[in-house]
Order: sequence, then structure tokens, then C-alpha cells
Amino acid sequence: AQSVAQPEDQVNVAEGNPLTVKCTYSVSGNPYLFWYVQYPNRGLQFLLKYITGDNLVKGSYGFEAEFNKSQTSFHLKKPSALVSDSALYFCAVSSPILTGGGNKLTFGTGTQLKVEL
Amino acid sequence: NAGVTQTPKFRVLKTGQSMTLLCAQDMNHEYMYWYRQDPGMGLRLIHYSVGEGTTAKGEVPDGYNVSRLKKQNFLLGLESAAPSQTSVYFCASRPSGGPGYEQFFGPGTRLTVL
Repeated sequence: AQSVAQPEDQVNVAEGNPLTVKCTYSVSGNPYLFWYVQYPNRGLQFLLKYITGDNLVKGSYGFEAEFNKSQTSFHLKKPSALVSDSALYFCAVSSPILTGGGNKLTFGTGTQLKVEL
Repeated sequence: NAGVTQTPKFRVLKTGQSMTLLCAQDMNHEYMYWYRQDPGMGLRLIHYSVGEGTTAKGEVPDGYNVSRLKKQNFLLGLESAAPSQTSVYFCASRPSGGPGYEQFFGPGTRLTVL
């Protein structure tokens, strides 16, 4: 079975400071990792993904994520936070070794990011 | 392109009533998914489909049924609604192929069962 843990329900950061939203995963085989963002009363929007290759992945809105195989982590980062980054962030994992097909994603419980002036 | 759309946006039901949620996508995607989102629990997969005429159970399928009669549409049915089904429901779609494709999400349907 595959699983995702987002250990922080909420992360608070001041505007202009760097931010990190943590994610660890458990999966059989090579992981395919995703970050999504959800603004209030909206659907999820794709931010970035790791499939293979460079461990540092760059995505939308200045976000990036670092894949660490030994620590089974895929933390989301941004060098300088904006108030408009305030939203709910979800990490998700999939794997080619998965029963039942469908390339299903398993989501973490989400981390609320609050960026304050 | 409208992407993924969901109908209705909001709905209030009484216990025991039935309803159908409609998901439509215009991206010619093979795979479609229904999730529910509850506070503190992330998104949980209800049912999914890997192509027209096919459906499969996800993590929390009890109390729900689905149909995929047309490639672009994926319907989620509640035959006898229960308060435990109060949730926000999201539909998603993606192309067929390996696990590296991202899913595209609809705006959601907020359902309250009294």
C-alpha cells in the first residue's frame, strides 16, 4: 500500500521569508510525486511533479520541491513567500507497482499555509 | 477549453433522498476519478474509470454508484443519502498511460445531507 504523510496541519510564515511544506511517502517501487494547491472554495490545481531525473523540481508560481530518496521525502519550497500563496497544499504519490490499475493517487491530509504581512 | 466541470455546485439533501452528480471533461481523457474531501482527511478516492463503459471501486465506495456511458462524462450517484455523506466531492481526469501524468480537477460539489 502507498501512503503520504504531511506532518504539519498548518505552516505560518512571514511574507518575504522562505517557506517549506513537508511531505514524506511510502510506496513500492519508484515513486511518482505530486504537489497540488487548493484555494478556498476551489478545486485542486497542479503545482509540480517528480517522475525521474533531477532531484530538484521547479513548478508553477515560483515553487520547487526536493526529492530525497533516502529520507523518502518530497518537501515543497519557495524562496520568498507571498500573502497570495496562502492556501491548502496537498502532496500525493503514485507508483507503477499498484494493484487494480488506474494509476491512482494517494493524497496526504493537507497543510494549510498562512503567509502574513 | 472548459476543462473539468461539475454539476451542481451545491446541494442539500434529506436523509434517504437520492441524487446524481455530473462530471464532464473536454480534454479527451481516458481516466476519470471521484473523490470526497473531508476536513483533516485529505482526498479519498470513491470510484474511478479507466475508459468508457468501465468503472472500479476506490478506497471508500460504499453508498455510491458510478457510470461512464460516455467518455467525457462520469456520474456519481447516491441512492439513499446519509449524513455521513456530507462532504465536498471532486471529479478529476487524466490521460491514459503511466503514473506520471497529473490529474485535472473540477471545482467541486458541496453536498449537505440533513
